[in-house]
Amino acid sequence: SQQGEEDPQALSIQEGENATMNCSYKTSINNLQWYRQNSGRGLVHLILIRSNEREKHSGRLRVTLDTSKKSSSLLITASRAADTASYFCATHNRDDKIIFGKGTRLHILP
Amino acid sequence: EPEVTQTPSHQVTQMGQEVILRCVPISNHLYFYWYRQILGQKVEFLVSFYNNEISEKSEIFDDQFSVERPDGSNFTLKIRSTKLEDSAMYFCASSQTDEKLFFGSGTQLSVL
Repeated sequence: SQQGEEDPQALSIQEGENATMNCSYKTSINNLQWYRQNSGRGLVHLILIRSNEREKHSGRLRVTLDTSKKSSSLLITASRAADTASYFCATHNRDDKIIFGKGTRLHILP
Repeated sequence: EPEVTQTPSHQVTQMGQEVILRCVPISNHLYFYWYRQILGQKVEFLVSFYNNEISEKSEIFDDQFSVERPDGSNFTLKIRSTKLEDSAMYFCASSQTDEKLFFGSGTQLSVL
């Protein structure tokens, strides 16, 4: 079954730098979403981008979607210690399943 | 702010026993989901539920699994005969429009 695959698996950056995470998927989608998970907690929805959209912003978050390459990126600008978490992309497929990738573990260094 | 509530937060059971994981979705939501996550790794889709029936399920969701919405507020996942490999964090989620999902805090299931 289709699944988003995030890249890199883990990322460590200095506080204040920008963090970029990528997601690739295999088949057609209705939308793509990004979620965040703090250790041992439930996932929290961050942003949704529809298949006919190319870019979306929300605060310090910027998401792009390239349906021709079947890929998306999540950019977090001016990172903070509190951004340390795992980030997952989720594809809403045409069969109405919402499938998550393996996640990127982001660590912000003080 | 409304939230999805899951109980218990931890469940320990013996292999072969039945477990029921409970969830109270957000009250005006119409779509309900169960996912599981093993050891902080990938989040695996189990099942989606809409209009009082299963709308989609994964290969993981075999005959040992069942879901119910018994009273219009609770949403339960039953595992009939647990196996060691069922040990995972189980997340319930709900949605108003089958897009943005709201997750509970999860039930950590340990099968011994």
